[in-house]
Amino acid sequence: NAGVTQTPKFRVLKTGQSMTLLCAQDMNHEYMYWYRQDPGMGLRLIHYSVGEGTTAKGEVPDGYNVSRLKKQNFLLGLESAAPSQTSVYFCASSSWGLAIDTQYFGPGTRLTVL
Amino acid sequence: RKEVEQDPGPFNVPEGATVAFNCTYSNSASQSFFWYRQDCRKEPKLLMSVYSSGNEDGRFTAQLNRASQYISLLIRDSKLSDSATYLCVGRDTGFQKLVFGTGTRLLVSP
Repeated sequence: NAGVTQTPKFRVLKTGQSMTLLCAQDMNHEYMYWYRQDPGMGLRLIHYSVGEGTTAKGEVPDGYNVSRLKKQNFLLGLESAAPSQTSVYFCASSSWGLAIDTQYFGPGTRLTVL
Repeated sequence: RKEVEQDPGPFNVPEGATVAFNCTYSNSASQSFFWYRQDCRKEPKLLMSVYSSGNEDGRFTAQLNRASQYISLLIRDSKLSDSATYLCVGRDTGFQKLVFGTGTRLLVSP
């Protein structure tokens, strides 16, 4: 039981390049989330999904797209990377109902955009 | 005003000390509250939920004061392994969105 996994762990991009971050969970959770964490800012929600085939915008969605084609996977895409997107990206998942309050996080992806 | 605010610290305490953190919140993040722990360069993990009546888990005690809109976390008999950043988290009244504070860093020294 791996929990929540993220690929890749580290990445360096040049401005304008694109990439996709993959999040996978094996807990059969309905809800999945993408956050970014920056110094002094705390965790900020980018996009989230309440089930397979559904996505919604979070607090800071601009410059990102997401897809949830399979229940266990949640992809975060950067179409044209910018230095402001240098951050640590965390994926999380949670069950539904009261259990939604417990979010399980992946180990994070450290992204640097030059 | 941020929805959830914390003193960033760091709080430097010796082993065995008792330390307390406070966190204040605005109305929009007032449904449920939690403390998450984040070790350096690691992912956040749920430490404990915060109930109106207060709750205790071993050396950790969490309390909620709705009248003054603050949450507290008390750690007794601090261990070196308690060194981490503690995130105060509220649940948005709208839906399934957790609102994270920026964290309070704790350093426990021998």
